[in-house]
Formats: sequence, C-alpha cells, structure tokens
Amino acid sequence: SQQGEEDPQALSIQEGENATMNCSYKTSINNLQWYRQNSGRGLVHLILIRSNEREKHSGRLRVTLDTSKKSSSLLITASRAADTASYFCATVLYGNNRLAFGKGNQVVVIP
Amino acid sequence: DGGITQSPKYLFRKEGQNVTLSCEQNLNHDAMYWYRQDPGQGLRLIYYSQIVNDFQKGDIAEGYSVSREKKESFPLTVTSAQKNPTAFYLCATEGVANEKLFFGSGTQLSVL
Repeated sequence: SQQGEEDPQALSIQEGENATMNCSYKTSINNLQWYRQNSGRGLVHLILIRSNEREKHSGRLRVTLDTSKKSSSLLITASRAADTASYFCATVLYGNNRLAFGKGNQVVVIP
Repeated sequence: DGGITQSPKYLFRKEGQNVTLSCEQNLNHDAMYWYRQDPGQGLRLIYYSQIVNDFQKGDIAEGYSVSREKKESFPLTVTSAQKNPTAFYLCATEGVANEKLFFGSGTQLSVL
C-alpha cells in the first residue's frame, strides 16, 4: 500500500539553487527513508530518519521529520545537474516490516 | 546497483506467454523483494522473501509467481494471467531489517 505522498510532484530549478520536497504519511511510523532514482535505473538509498529524530544531515542533504504533522522534508542544497532524478520517500510502519513508497518527486536541475 | 544483477534489461512478452525475470545477488542478504513501477507511480510490492524456501505475497501478487530455492536468487515469473504486465520491474535486497533496500537496475517488460 502507498503511504508516503511527496509534494510537489515536479520541480525545476537552476543549478546552485536549493530544492525542497515534502512527504506526508497517514499512520505511525518506525522510520522514514528517502531514495533517488535516475531515469531507467534502480533506486538508491539516500538517508534514513527514525521516528525519534527530528533532523538529519548527509552531505548536501538535510531531512526533517515532524511526527506531529506526519510529514518529512528533503532539502538538497546547492543543487547540481547530476541531482536531476526522481526522489521517493518510503515509510516503515509500526508492526509492519515492509516499506511503503510514495509516488515520487521529479527534480530537474538546469545547468 | 552493485551486488544485484537483474536480467534482461528489456523483455518482450507475447500474449499468453509466461516470462521470467532474473534477480541475482552477491550481498549475502536474506531478504529479497520484487516491485512493479508504472510511469509516474511509486513502487508496488509484488512478492517478498525473508529466507530461503519461503516467500509471501505483496500488494499486487495476482498474475505473478516466484521461487526462492537459493539465497542468491529470486526469479519472478509474469504469467499469462497478468493482463497488464507492461511496467518496470525492480528487485531489491535488504541487509538490516527495515533499514535500507539495495536495488537492481531493473527490467522493462513490454507486451508485443
């Protein structure tokens, strides 16, 4: 079942700008993960944030989690053309050992 | 994508035909998954296996079958009962439970 829903669905930005994507979910989660997918390829894990964490960083990535609003955001700072991809959030529900993926955000970084 | 090999990259199915998608891994992971991805959509779980000789249906298992005879291999058969098989199929493995999935590079299945 699909739980994570990303917003906005498509984003086009200039190289060097920041890109922000949001993800909302409906029920209590164990953790939330973000993945990147280049066109025609498999997904690559970017970052995991646990339900008791509020913010996490990895390189140019910053993820926040607000469990009271059931939402997460992914910020990519100083974007590069190579960041052009689709970005998916995925949640692990409490009592369920499977990931539920959102529909994805397409990000285009214009050189 | 390293460590997980999906083949073929592109596959064409004739009406009424069964086709098998291969997924092989050398990561020594117990859990393996098959997902289907349609354009503009997220991933939907077809089948998963947490250990050799055991597998469970996911959310959209109808028209598909799997086997898990070896730890390294988790082939997916798209049967003739699957009336709308055109999609991008992704295989994944999981090391630590619920922590991170590793994906193969996918197989694009189309109907002739």
